[in-house]
Amino acid sequence: ETGVTQTPRHLVMGMTNKKSLKCEQHLGHNAMYWYKQSAKKPLELMFVYSLEERVENNSVPSRFSPECPNSSHLFLHLHTLQPEDSALYLCASSGTGGDYEQYFGPGTRLTVT
Amino acid sequence: GENVEQHPSTLSVQEGDSAVIKCTYSDSASNYFPWYKQELGKRPQLIIDIRSNVGEKKDQRIAVTLNKTAKHFSLHITETQPEDSAVYFCAASIGTGGFKTIFGAGTRLFVKA
Repeated sequence: ETGVTQTPRHLVMGMTNKKSLKCEQHLGHNAMYWYKQSAKKPLELMFVYSLEERVENNSVPSRFSPECPNSSHLFLHLHTLQPEDSALYLCASSGTGGDYEQYFGPGTRLTVT
Repeated sequence: GENVEQHPSTLSVQEGDSAVIKCTYSDSASNYFPWYKQELGKRPQLIIDIRSNVGEKKDQRIAVTLNKTAKHFSLHITETQPEDSAVYFCAASIGTGGFKTIFGAGTRLFVKA
């Protein structure tokens, strides 16, 4: 698959579990993003990495921990989540700068039980 | 904090009619304004964008206008078709030197055949 891929596509986890979401981009971009999309709120920016350095951390609880080992891969490590964290988690990538088109992945549908 | 307000939340039009979606933003430093379309069960995709140095941009049936003084921008879709039915998100971001993108809450557009 080309573009931006995410795995897994669906995830059900208990509040005491630890899991990780993975994002991979094949577009040669230098910036990668995590968004949360839920029914109650619009697309919420969580984290941004540019050239593997975190440049935005939008007041996200510490139970979400991002990791960007290189410009093509982005992870979101999850632990001790709450039911209200259930949402669609979207990854995106773009050129270096906020004025570039963002290419989104298909998302991971997360359910916390 | 910064925010983007989007109206209406739901819009229903007859095929062939025009649709207009309006957004206002709060951060005067914003200089890049993309619009994304998200079809049911799919990822958001950019349909048009505008930068602060222009007041209007058009791409076939889609146009966007920007009023920086009023911090207001709008999406215009003419000759709507059933395949235009989707959720549309406006966004505002600071381009150079920044990555923070603030999305509006979205407008669900229904085009009735």
